[in-house]
Amino acid sequence: EVQLVQSGAEVKKSGESLKISCKASGYSFSSDWIGWVRQMPGKGLAWMGIIYPADSDTRYSPSLQGQVTISADKSSSTAYLQWSSLRASDTAMYYCARPNVIRGGITRVDYWGQGTPVTVSS
Amino acid sequence: QSALTQPPSASGSPGQSVTISCTGTSSDVGGYSSVSWFQQNPGKAPKLMIYEVNKRPSGVPDRFSGSKSGNTASLTVSGLQAEDEADYYCSSYAGTDNLGVFGGGTKLTVL
Repeated sequence: EVQLVQSGAEVKKSGESLKISCKASGYSFSSDWIGWVRQMPGKGLAWMGIIYPADSDTRYSPSLQGQVTISADKSSSTAYLQWSSLRASDTAMYYCARPNVIRGGITRVDYWGQGTPVTVSS
Repeated sequence: QSALTQPPSASGSPGQSVTISCTGTSSDVGGYSSVSWFQQNPGKAPKLMIYEVNKRPSGVPDRFSGSKSGNTASLTVSGLQAEDEADYYCSSYAGTDNLGVFGGGTKLTVL
């Protein structure tokens, strides 16, 4: 059974750094893309980026390029989403997800983590 | 990449059918057969309900169906049940090296 288990809720202040995690199980972690989706309070879903753990090929949403870092650790089957300096506008629910990717584009998403709420105060 | 356009709300009485639309462009919805629909309950992760326009994952009731015409995809929920009340999001493949796009979401209310 495929499972994506995310780290717990975070409360931070503007300017602080943060790294949240998503531990995968039930499939070959290195051989499938994994990514992060942001849902701001009361808003819709938006892809932040995806990574292919086997070679660390990472694709970011153009609107978020440079604002976050996505990484993966094959030894622990864990994906990460990292900020070096948080802003109040980063307050959101963050989901990890396993997308099906064809030619660098996402066709569908079968599996989702439970979500990690991040609150950033100014 | 602009979000796909969904109506903010839809409603129906138990037993009725309701259809939610999702309008994109020829660069996403109209250009490919990779439209998905997700159901999201409050505080929960999205759940895949329809993929590749009209296919249902195992375990999804056949009351849920999908279709597409031109640049607009649709999700139809037949025989509405109280448990169908949730937010619904569409998404579409948008080409090579494009992460894809979501709709803004539709809140379905069962009256």
